[in-house]
Amino acid sequence: GAGVSQSPRYKVAKRGQDVALRCDPISGHVSLFWYQQALGQGPEFLTYFQNEAQLDKSGLPSDRFFAERPEGSVSTLKIQRTQQEDSAVYLCASSLILSGRALETQYFGPGTRLLVL
Amino acid sequence: QQQVKQSPQSLIVQKGGISIINCAYENTAFDYFPWYQQFPGKGPALLIAIRPDVSEKKEGRFTISFNKSAKQFSLHIMDSQPGDSATYFCAANDRGGSNYKLTFGKGTLLTVNP
Repeated sequence: GAGVSQSPRYKVAKRGQDVALRCDPISGHVSLFWYQQALGQGPEFLTYFQNEAQLDKSGLPSDRFFAERPEGSVSTLKIQRTQQEDSAVYLCASSLILSGRALETQYFGPGTRLLVL
Repeated sequence: QQQVKQSPQSLIVQKGGISIINCAYENTAFDYFPWYQQFPGKGPALLIAIRPDVSEKKEGRFTISFNKSAKQFSLHIMDSQPGDSATYFCAANDRGGSNYKLTFGKGTLLTVNP
């Protein structure tokens, strides 16, 4: 059916507030990625899940960023004590797995635009 | 360290013209090179991709040229149309290892004038 969906589409937060961003991947896609896209820049990798396992979180910029995918489907990216530099579009992408390895084609959601005031 | 360098930052082309966007990479382990198209308010969408065992791939009006020795690849859009106006990102990935994450260039804003 549908592609990758994300919610909310827009989020305004006051500095210091916690936020939670949701991603619904394409049904059956085992791999799930989060990327951060600053204004006028390309997406930058944050973290990767295969099913419920978080296999790579090397791109998370600080310990204020936390991601989870408890049932291997929906994922949530949480940012604690938001700072102005966290303002960006947060993109979620999913892909299939073949022979234990994520296929190259990643399908992106529309993103959540976060503005921290 | 920017692993994928993209140019130009912006490009203006007349309708019917050829748009050319270039990318260069540093990591020789990269072996999958996709191009993504992004419209305002939307997520990136895969346009076309190439692997280094071929020097060129064509899909409709879109062609990727790949130069492995120079570690460069480019996107050519033939007969550019106003509907092609968008931001284009090149990217790279290492299929062989566990480096499944995409590394993107900074993007090229393409404007096609009618």
